[in-house]
Amino acid sequence: SQELEQSPQSLIVQEGKNLTINCTSSKTLYGLYWYKQKYGEGLIFLMMLQKGGEEKSHEKITAKLDEKKQQSSLHITASQPSHAGIYLCGADGGSQGNLIFGKGTKLSVKP
Amino acid sequence: EPEVTQTPSHQVTQMGQEVILRCVPISNHLYFYWYRQILGQKVEFLVSFYNNEISEKSEIFDDQFSVERPDGSNFTLKIRSTKLEDSAMYFCASSPRAGGPYYGYTFGSGTRLTVV
Repeated sequence: SQELEQSPQSLIVQEGKNLTINCTSSKTLYGLYWYKQKYGEGLIFLMMLQKGGEEKSHEKITAKLDEKKQQSSLHITASQPSHAGIYLCGADGGSQGNLIFGKGTKLSVKP
Repeated sequence: EPEVTQTPSHQVTQMGQEVILRCVPISNHLYFYWYRQILGQKVEFLVSFYNNEISEKSEIFDDQFSVERPDGSNFTLKIRSTKLEDSAMYFCASSPRAGGPYYGYTFGSGTRLTVV
């Protein structure tokens, strides 16, 4: 079965710094999704990548899917305290739309 | 923006008791899902539900679990006889069609279940 490995597990950065989170799949990805989770809240959808080499941006967050479609990175530019949370990568797990997830990367941003 | 609503936000129950977790999916959505996240672990798929029946389930979803759509709005997860290891955050999700977030897959805020 497919596994998603995220690195690092946790990250503490100073406000204003850039950072990158990685997600590596054990199999080819046909849809890669990035979510953000804050304590006590649900999973907030950030971005979806489907094509090898694809890159998408939303505000200060950019996500890429590599050409071989087995790795994705999430890059945050000029981090702010509002970026703090747990970032999860997810992938299609079956024909009925269920998702599999990585363990998450906990991001803390120090003011 | 339409939301998936889950109640209660936190439930404490005694081991061996039955619990029902409730979800109100987005009104025009047809596919419904339950996931759980044990503290410090991955979000794991439990079950998907379409057209009033289970369409897919994971190994976790054993006989102690059941799902139901008792009326046109609610989607419930029942755990028949809770164990300590059932303590987790349970997330409901809904989608207008199969195919993942591309079609507007939305998660609720979760119910934290604590079994004591």
